[in-house]
Amino acid sequence: AQSVTQLDSHVSVSEGTPVLLRCNYSSSYSPSLFWYVQHPNKGLQLLLKYTSAATLVKGINGFEAEFKKSETSFHLTKPSAHMSDAAEYFCVVSERDTGNQFYFGTGTSLTVIP
Amino acid sequence: DTGVSQNPRHKITKRGQNVTFRCDPISEHNRLYWYRQTLGQGPEFLTYFQNEAQLEKSRLLSDRFSAERPKGSFSTLEIQRTEQGDSAMYLCASSFVAGGPYNEQFFGPGTRLTVL
Repeated sequence: AQSVTQLDSHVSVSEGTPVLLRCNYSSSYSPSLFWYVQHPNKGLQLLLKYTSAATLVKGINGFEAEFKKSETSFHLTKPSAHMSDAAEYFCVVSERDTGNQFYFGTGTSLTVIP
Repeated sequence: DTGVSQNPRHKITKRGQNVTFRCDPISEHNRLYWYRQTLGQGPEFLTYFQNEAQLEKSRLLSDRFSAERPKGSFSTLEIQRTEQGDSAMYLCASSFVAGGPYNEQFFGPGTRLTVL
């Protein structure tokens, strides 16, 4: 069975400091992993994806994530937070054998302090 | 193409009424998904279609819920005899799947349902 655990429900950082949003997953097979961002009153937007290629994945707006199979983790990072990064972030796991349906974590709310 | 669209964006209804939502996916996408998102939670899978065939339904999808995707294009999600617990954001997503593991889903803006 697939599942995702986002270890922090809220993260608060100062503008210009690094961001770390943590995600652990459970998967029976080789998973695809994604990070999506949801701004207030906006649709879910893909930040980045891992699909069994390079373990270090670069996404939009300076975000990166590293797939670590031994730790079953897919943490999202950014070197320097910007005010516009304040949003809800979702880690997602998907497997081809389950129809590619997405399993979402409960989300991490990122606050950026000026 | 401007992406996945959903209508209406907001729906307020009284308990016991029926409601229907529409989703228009990205035109070349063969898969269409419905999710439900409640406050403070991540989206939860409801059902998905491969072209016009409904291939899987979640246990969350009670008998009051029905979804269709005639001709493999747009989809509708109907909720009969709505209950207050149905109040949520209903999200639609589409993707193109050709057998590989890569399956980025593109999400619509959602329909927010409030049941009074």
